[in-house]
Amino acid sequence: DAKTTQPTSMDCAEGRAANLPCNHSTISGNEYVYWYRQIHSQGPQYIIHGLKNNETNEMASLIITEDRKSSTLILPHATLRDTAVYYCIVSTRAAGNKLTFGGGTRVLVKP
Amino acid sequence: NAGVTQTPKFRILKIGQSMTLQCTQDMNHNYMYWYRQDPGMGLKLIYYSVGAGITDKGEVPNGYNVSRSTTEDFPLRLELAAPSQTSVYFCASSYSPTEFNTEAFFGQGTRLTVV
Repeated sequence: DAKTTQPTSMDCAEGRAANLPCNHSTISGNEYVYWYRQIHSQGPQYIIHGLKNNETNEMASLIITEDRKSSTLILPHATLRDTAVYYCIVSTRAAGNKLTFGGGTRVLVKP
Repeated sequence: NAGVTQTPKFRILKIGQSMTLQCTQDMNHNYMYWYRQDPGMGLKLIYYSVGAGITDKGEVPNGYNVSRSTTEDFPLRLELAAPSQTSVYFCASSYSPTEFNTEAFFGQGTRLTVV
């Protein structure tokens, strides 16, 4: 599976957009980019995923570069409840949809 | 829907004891997974299953065993518990059709302490 690289931590002001970058320069053609988050010690929560097109849902937007070597998760209006560790993961059904978690980005939303 | 249910939520084991962590899902998902998470770290895959009767090792399988006799259940067995197995254990499931990728759903975890 391709590895991902994310900043260790970042702060964001409440009400502002949070842009979380992820590098996955070794991604292969059939690997999807997934984003999950983990609030405190709860089970990880799915946010969004995509293959090559930009995606948007009720939680966030996912922007994938044309060469697919990096992506950005956008939380449009961060709230205090968005404080969490965010994981960027690449995965494919051929590999059993296994998720390889790195260290993630610890996001702190401040009032 | 209950989703993915793990029991127990907390457990303290003595060194050398054995136990089974239970995981059940009611979403008819074919794929199921067991992860462990040590303090301050990301999750690591222990075992996974792509369907009833099929299991495979993940990144850190030593000291654990699994079985998948039904679609719904995926128990994780610890034999001869060791302090290194003190961790939070998460079970997850996903549906994997051939046409597209889908997301995984996680349980709320089992916090295990081995003393």
